[in-house]
Amino acid sequence: ETGVTQTPRHLVMGMTNKKSLKCEQHLGHNAMYWYKQSAKKPLELMFVYNFKEQTENNSVPSRFSPECPNSSHLFLHLHTLQPEDSALYLCASSQAIEGGYTFGSGTRLTVV
Amino acid sequence: KNEVEQSPQNLTAQEGEFITINCSYSVGISALHWLQQHPGGGIVSLFMLSSGKKKHGRLIATINIQEKHSSLHITASHPRDSAVYICAVDGGAGSYQLTFGKGTKLSVIP
Repeated sequence: ETGVTQTPRHLVMGMTNKKSLKCEQHLGHNAMYWYKQSAKKPLELMFVYNFKEQTENNSVPSRFSPECPNSSHLFLHLHTLQPEDSALYLCASSQAIEGGYTFGSGTRLTVV
Repeated sequence: KNEVEQSPQNLTAQEGEFITINCSYSVGISALHWLQQHPGGGIVSLFMLSSGKKKHGRLIATINIQEKHSSLHITASHPRDSAVYICAVDGGAGSYQLTFGKGTKLSVIP
């Protein structure tokens, strides 16, 4: 365990389903991130929360909806996804801009 | 937008060999990160560099800010080093964004 815990590890969902990914850290970090990693592509930043406030949204489709209820928890709500959304979704946290990043183990999502 | 290039894309080595993975970027940065990703998907942060050189066990990372280039070296490579190594750069200046390279897949054969 790295200190950032993601659940579930694997998720298969239909295109009409609604599901949520969860990320939790108790490292005292003040920034949390969602990244998407598709096959053969670099990691892509989706969302950044700094002190629970969303500071970045990299043109992510509205079928992905983040939620950060406190500085330790981050959710990614999924609805009406497409097969091309199948990917590894990684959560990370950092103390500040100057800090190192700690990543979770990821959720492997398959949309059928 | 920073462009991050890694080489080689794939690398196969015999156990015990000295390994070098390279990373170059196009725009000045505040820090560079080397990450390790195992087949299960989880990512481990190996180094964060803003200048000079860092060493941890058999791993050494160097950065040349003027040349916009960094290298990751593995001495006495071992099959457990087999993983994807990813370079990422931090633009700083209030940005929380990392720009990632595509990764170098390393396989160390016994």
